[in-house]
Amino acid sequence: DADVTQTPRNRITKTGKRIMLECSQTKGHDRMYWYRQDPGLGLRLIYYSFDVKDINKGEISDGYSVSRQAQAKFSLSLESAIPNQTALYFCATSDLAGGTDTQYFGPGTRLTVL
Amino acid sequence: QKEVEQNSGPLSVPEGAIASLNCTYSDRGSQSFFWYRQYSGKSPELIMSIYSNGDKEDGRFTAQLNKASQYVSLLIRDSQPSDSATYLCAVEVGAGGTSYGKLTFGQGTILTVHP
Repeated sequence: DADVTQTPRNRITKTGKRIMLECSQTKGHDRMYWYRQDPGLGLRLIYYSFDVKDINKGEISDGYSVSRQAQAKFSLSLESAIPNQTALYFCATSDLAGGTDTQYFGPGTRLTVL
Repeated sequence: QKEVEQNSGPLSVPEGAIASLNCTYSDRGSQSFFWYRQYSGKSPELIMSIYSNGDKEDGRFTAQLNKASQYVSLLIRDSQPSDSATYLCAVEVGAGGTSYGKLTFGQGTILTVHP
């Protein structure tokens, strides 16, 4: 969905490096999410934000941090990357329209940590 | 027990057949249920959502929800090779009509429709 963009799309880095993944959206949604996807494990929530001043940990936040710079921007950082953080990372947005939380996903960032 | 569990795949059906994908969830407070389709290397896209017990139909897709049994399914009629993808079940927990705003995903079921 072109309304949610992620940069970079692919990244190879080395153990111990700091890396930032960025997400931008033009949907005007308040809620933003970061997930990682590993084969056979589905999508797991890392962090989520319901507005600029609200940041919450998901089920697997250790080793990650986030920044909500604006309503439209939500960045995920790996302070010191390790190989088991190699995964496909997705950003998503939602606006709780009609009382339900339909989420829309960005194209993903494939991260490899050597 | 995993919070959201899908039938293990991969599932293979012939073209034109009905594909049946199943999902169970553990939290009785779950309020909203979603099916996403994910093609290889692509992002998940929403194909169905269901909130009340019963069936909901949209074209060749039918979602079925049974809250008493904590079970949600997706039927794909007249399956086509273009339906070959991973299907993800997602469940939103809430209470008293209020959403907690988070989805929990199952591990996904790989569907292959062969000509």
